[in-house]
Amino acid sequence: KAGVTQTPRYLIKTRGQQVTLSCSPISGHRSVSWYQQTPGQGLQFLFEYFSETQRNKGNFPGRFSGRQFSNSRSEMNVSTLELGDSALYLCASADGQINSPLHFGNGTRLTVT
Amino acid sequence: QKEVEQNSGPLSVPEGAIASLNCTYSDRGSQSFFWYRQYSGKSPELIMFIYSNGDKEDGRFTAQLNKASQYVSLLIRDSQPSDSATYLCAVRANDYKLSFGAGTTVTVRA
Repeated sequence: KAGVTQTPRYLIKTRGQQVTLSCSPISGHRSVSWYQQTPGQGLQFLFEYFSETQRNKGNFPGRFSGRQFSNSRSEMNVSTLELGDSALYLCASADGQINSPLHFGNGTRLTVT
Repeated sequence: QKEVEQNSGPLSVPEGAIASLNCTYSDRGSQSFFWYRQYSGKSPELIMFIYSNGDKEDGRFTAQLNKASQYVSLLIRDSQPSDSATYLCAVRANDYKLSFGAGTTVTVRA
């Protein structure tokens, strides 16, 4: 099976712009989660989608949003970018059961200048 | 109080020794527990998962869970230089949310 695919791998944006990141989960997985990773804060949970519905949400401002399509692919959008949004954004998929582990993609490295 | 806390690192062990990593969690209703390994510049990869009290062994890795004490640990036996990485503890609550600890960096000295 192919793993979790995230695009693009690297992104450079300017403050105030918006960005959309894409994630294709492992075939058959219906849950997609997004995390932000920075050296100082570690892995911070953004949100999780299961069967096109947001099942959980972390403590991020409304500038961070996401959605999931009927084929389980997911996108994450960040509007009005700030310097502090520079981070590695990780997508992970799972089959959605309570005991199922997450499988991570390679991440998108976002740099905001 | 953080949802998931790990023992502060870095942890340095000689090659062939046992590395012991600890993790505590705050939500008593947590259902499942995971250990991930993350090499520098890479994404986390799953090492083990456990959801019943007791020990679970997989090769050189042993996960231990004690729900009464809200404690989960990972032992790495016969540590190798390739085990040098950051180890992340993750805990899933009843609402399916998976929370991660800050990670413990392990260095295995040859």
